[in-house]
Amino acid sequence: QSALTQPASVSGSPGQSITISCTGSSSDIGRYNFVSWYQHPPGKAPKLIIFAVSNRPSGVSNRFSASKSGNTASLTISGLQADDQADYYCSSYTSSSSYVLFGGGTKLTVL
Amino acid sequence: EVQLVESGGGFVQPGGSLRLSCAASGFTVSSNYMNWVRQAPGKGLEWVAVIYRGGSTYYADSVKGRFTISRDNSKNTLYLQMNTLRPEDTAVYFCAGEKGGYDSYHFDYWGQGTLVTVSS
Repeated sequence: QSALTQPASVSGSPGQSITISCTGSSSDIGRYNFVSWYQHPPGKAPKLIIFAVSNRPSGVSNRFSASKSGNTASLTISGLQADDQADYYCSSYTSSSSYVLFGGGTKLTVL
Repeated sequence: EVQLVESGGGFVQPGGSLRLSCAASGFTVSSNYMNWVRQAPGKGLEWVAVIYRGGSTYYADSVKGRFTISRDNSKNTLYLQMNTLRPEDTAVYFCAGEKGGYDSYHFDYWGQGTLVTVSS
């Protein structure tokens, strides 16, 4: 099965806001509220930042917010900081053969 | 504090086998869903396998029949036995835990990963 579709890269200046999209289908994002987002700095462990479409785990900054509309989910990071620079992945439960499907990842550059 | 520490990665020839381990602390492997997720060089994340609290297991089509996920409750450790390895299995393999022991479909805790290289 194909991965969820994310832009390869986004960039923004400190203090600005950016949004990363994640497009799936009616078999995953469009049908289920099991969309998650992960922050993955190179060489480190991925970190869960959003689960169940728009929920933040304890300890995650409220600068991270997310939503879903139809087959597309979105992650918004406000008040960009230098240490937000990382790869970001979306994921969703899928009713097809895989358990969880990931997006291809988006590289965030803070200018 | 939860820690997941993978080990067992290395270099192996095509057709060979390798067993990865993930030692957990601060998190009970048998009470939660445990997964393996991999990342090929320059690629995104790919879910590989899950073992449920009750012991049921599920696999990605790309590894079904070749990989086996298991756990040792007494050692609080997760395993991934990888057989008939192919060059396309080359990746960093992450252990990831879903807390709560129910169908959450998100990964609360991750290890740092262990690199598997399959090449002749």
